[in-house]
Amino acid sequence: EVQLVESGGGLIQPGGSLRLSCAASGFTVFTNYVSWVRQAPGKGLEWVSVIYTGGSTYYADSVKGRFTISRDNSKNTVSLQMNSLRAEDTAVYYCARGAEWDPPDYWGQGTLVTVSS
Amino acid sequence: QAVLTQPPSASGTPGQRVTISCSGSSSNIGSNYVYWYQQLPGTAPKLLIYRKNQRPSGVPDRFSGSKSGTSASLAISGLRSEDEAHYYCAAWDDSLSGPVFGGGTKLTVL
Repeated sequence: EVQLVESGGGLIQPGGSLRLSCAASGFTVFTNYVSWVRQAPGKGLEWVSVIYTGGSTYYADSVKGRFTISRDNSKNTVSLQMNSLRAEDTAVYYCARGAEWDPPDYWGQGTLVTVSS
Repeated sequence: QAVLTQPPSASGTPGQRVTISCSGSSSNIGSNYVYWYQQLPGTAPKLLIYRKNQRPSGVPDRFSGSKSGTSASLAISGLRSEDEAHYYCAAWDDSLSGPVFGGGTKLTVL
């Protein structure tokens, strides 16, 4: 059974850093695309970043230069390092698996990140 | 501002058929598959339709998807009270090298 479990969310001050982790089971992260998708309170879904099977990474313009996606094949995990956090980064962050060139099919339960002083 | 355009709301009565539209461009819907998700309050999105109008196991055949050019639509027939939720469309975007989403449509069952 495919499962994704996010962790690492919490309350952080503007300008701070946070690292989210996504533990995958039922599939291997290096044979699938894994994305981070966020949802601000009361808003829609917004793609944040993706890591391809070959290791290439891509980011939404809103987080480029501040966020870094990476994976650990030995632990079957994908992480999102978030720096220079802003109030507008406040959202539930979902880790999601997808096939090549396709939107996600399986999603985690999400982890809440709140950026506030 | 979402990349794909959906109406913010839709409604119908039990038993009715409703459709939700999703508009994009040649770099996303025009050249890739459209996925549809259902999201209930406080839960993660659930996949309803993927690739060529395929449904994951457990999704009733009351849900169907279609695509024409740079637009797509989700149809729900035999509307039920438990269908009241937010619905999102998504497609891969060749220019962004990632998936893009619609702004979501809140479906109300009257």
